[in-house]
Amino acid sequence: DTEVTQTPKHLVMGMTNKKSLKCEQHMGHRAMYWYKQKAKKPPELMFVYSYEKLSINESVPSRFSPECPNSSLLNLHLHALQPEDSALYLCASSQGTGMGTDTQYFGPGTRLTVL
Amino acid sequence: DQQVKQNSPSLSVQEGRISILNCDYTNSMFDYFLWYKKYPAEGPTFLISISSIKDKNEDGRFTVFLNKSAKHLSLHIVPSQPGDSAVYFCAAISLGQNFVFGPGTRLSVLP
Repeated sequence: DTEVTQTPKHLVMGMTNKKSLKCEQHMGHRAMYWYKQKAKKPPELMFVYSYEKLSINESVPSRFSPECPNSSLLNLHLHALQPEDSALYLCASSQGTGMGTDTQYFGPGTRLTVL
Repeated sequence: DQQVKQNSPSLSVQEGRISILNCDYTNSMFDYFLWYKKYPAEGPTFLISISSIKDKNEDGRFTVFLNKSAKHLSLHIVPSQPGDSAVYFCAAISLGQNFVFGPGTRLSVLP
């Protein structure tokens, strides 16, 4: 099983809403990642979790709050987002610690629209 | 400053011919390179990778070539198929750092 799953596939939310994005992998990977991708741009790294601990936060605003409940799950809690936060949010996982030369496997993404 | 560059935003190739996608990098510390393929509204799919100690890696129709002295790598797809039409991202990584993605090249394979 080389699959990373993400739910929901699409999400529309208002600026005052609170919502969560979910990511799951059952490959036994120890590193999980959140990326944000705007149209016609490469993915931009937001957070890295290594062994369920946050190891990298790429200066992401606090309205994005990641959570790693266990080694298979990664959440991204959203609150008070802005319309410019509308993007495709990608989750990825990799076998290593998140700081090595290991291949990342991506989920299908959640298309987020903030009204 | 872009550490990973893909200077061709788009490329069109006839079905059955070779597609060559290019990638240049500036950071000599990169020691592992990957190619991802991405369809609209989907996550990137890993295609092929190459370690800096090699100059070629082949997997079916996909071959990646690495020229370390030129800091250049390329992805060859032979023969190209319409289903290969997608955006291709080159990514590079060095130990202790995270992925750096190039801006992507949109490949269109024409029937």
